[in-house]
Amino acid sequence: NAGVTQTPKFQVLKTGQSMTLQCAQDMNHNSMYWYRQDPGMGLRLIYYSASEGTTDKGEVPNGYNVSRLNKREFSLRLESAAPSQTSVYFCASSEVGGNTGELFFGEGSRLTVL
Amino acid sequence: AQSVTQPDIHITVSEGASLELRCNYSYGATPYLFWYVQSPGQGLQLLLKYFSGDTLVQGIKGFEAEFKRSQSSFNLRKPSVHWSDAAEYFCAVGASGYNKLIFGAGTRLAVHP
Repeated sequence: NAGVTQTPKFQVLKTGQSMTLQCAQDMNHNSMYWYRQDPGMGLRLIYYSASEGTTDKGEVPNGYNVSRLNKREFSLRLESAAPSQTSVYFCASSEVGGNTGELFFGEGSRLTVL
Repeated sequence: AQSVTQPDIHITVSEGASLELRCNYSYGATPYLFWYVQSPGQGLQLLLKYFSGDTLVQGIKGFEAEFKRSQSSFNLRKPSVHWSDAAEYFCAVGASGYNKLIFGAGTRLAVHP
C-alpha cells in the first residue's frame, strides 16, 4: 500500500525555470493538499482540492498553480521559480475534510532554487 | 483567524524522563485539534486528535494530550520518553467549515541516552 507518492524527491532549479511536482494517492481520498515546510515556520498550505474538479488557495498560493488531474492525482506547478520557493514540499490527502480528518502525507520533495 | 503557537522550538530530555510539549491555539469556537509527528526525512504522521468530549485524549506510541479551553491549550505529554521519540512535533488546528488545517511552527525533540 503506497499511500501518498510524490515525485521527484529532490530537484535543483535555476531562477526562472519551471517545474511540476507530482502527487498521487491510492486511498480513494476526496481531498488533497500541497504544503511547504520552512525552518521555524511549520507547514503552510499552498493550495488544496476538496474534491475532484475543485481547487482553492491556501495561505501562500502566490507563484504556484495546481491541477487536480483526477481523484488520484494533484500536481503543483512553479511557472517561474524564485529562490524564495526553496523549500520542502509535502502533498497530503484525507478521506474527509482536512479540518476534521486525518491527513496522510507523502515523504516530501526537496526543492532548491539557485 | 485561526492560529497555532508552539512556544518551544527545541526541547531536550533524557531517555525515561517525562515530556510535555506546549501548544496554544487561537479560535473563537471549539476547534478540532491535532498533534502530528515528523521523523527525519519523512512525512507527518498523526499522533492524536481532539474534537469533543473527554478532554484527555490518548494517541499512538504512548502519547496523550489534554484540551484546556480556559487556557486555549492542547499540550502533548508522554510519561517516559524513548530514544525513538526524537522527532519534530507539530500541533494543528482545524475549524468548522474550513477544509484545511493550520499548523504550528513545530517543536524539535532531542532525546539524550
